Amino acid sequence: GEDVEQSLFLSVREGDSSVINCTYTDSSSTYLYWYKQEPGAGLQLLTYIFSNMDMKQDQRLTVLLNKKDKHLSLRIADTQTGDSAIYFCAEKSSNTGKLIFGQGTTLQVKP
Amino acid sequence: GAVVSQHPSWVICKSGTSVKIECRSLDFQATTMFWYRQFPKQSLMLMATSNEGSKATYEQGVEKDKFLINHASLTLSTLTVTSAHPEDSSFYICSAPGLAIGTDTQYFGPGTRLTVL
Repeated sequence: GEDVEQSLFLSVREGDSSVINCTYTDSSSTYLYWYKQEPGAGLQLLTYIFSNMDMKQDQRLTVLLNKKDKHLSLRIADTQTGDSAIYFCAEKSSNTGKLIFGQGTTLQVKP
Repeated sequence: GAVVSQHPSWVICKSGTSVKIECRSLDFQATTMFWYRQFPKQSLMLMATSNEGSKATYEQGVEKDKFLINHASLTLSTLTVTSAHPEDSSFYICSAPGLAIGTDTQYFGPGTRLTVL
């Protein structure tokens, strides 16, 4: 079945770059997304990438997509304490059109 | 950008009572909305797809008589947790597909924290 996997935890120092990785199984996915969830809040769309793209950059965020390996990553440059949150990778199922989420990666930014 | 609101943001109720949660698309119309449930430190689990003017579609294992969904207008979907029990305590989040913005994505509400005593 369709599945999305993420590492559960990442800790970095303020000012460093953070890289959050994600793997997925549906090779027909058209869109892949990164969402941010702060404590007690809903999900905020950070960025997305269309499946025919390899890379997308948006200010401090860089998304890399390796379709051959079904690997997606989110790089946050100059990580700040305000970036501490849970980051969810999600793919849009080509079968159902529904979003399939990973387990979420908790990013801890130390001052 | 597209905004989705939820009301209430948190609710505490006694076991056996029913609770209604509202999900509104504020600046766009949504013929479809999605309801998710999230347990602490876990991912989002899709419960059902709410369809304006027709019956909701429930995911496998979700009791439709327990979680009543009504999508009465193009901007409002409601989830009613009937005869709530402590195991229904969770964070409920709705989402709606963005329209006419070219990104084909979901916009999420801020969530509703339900605690059943």
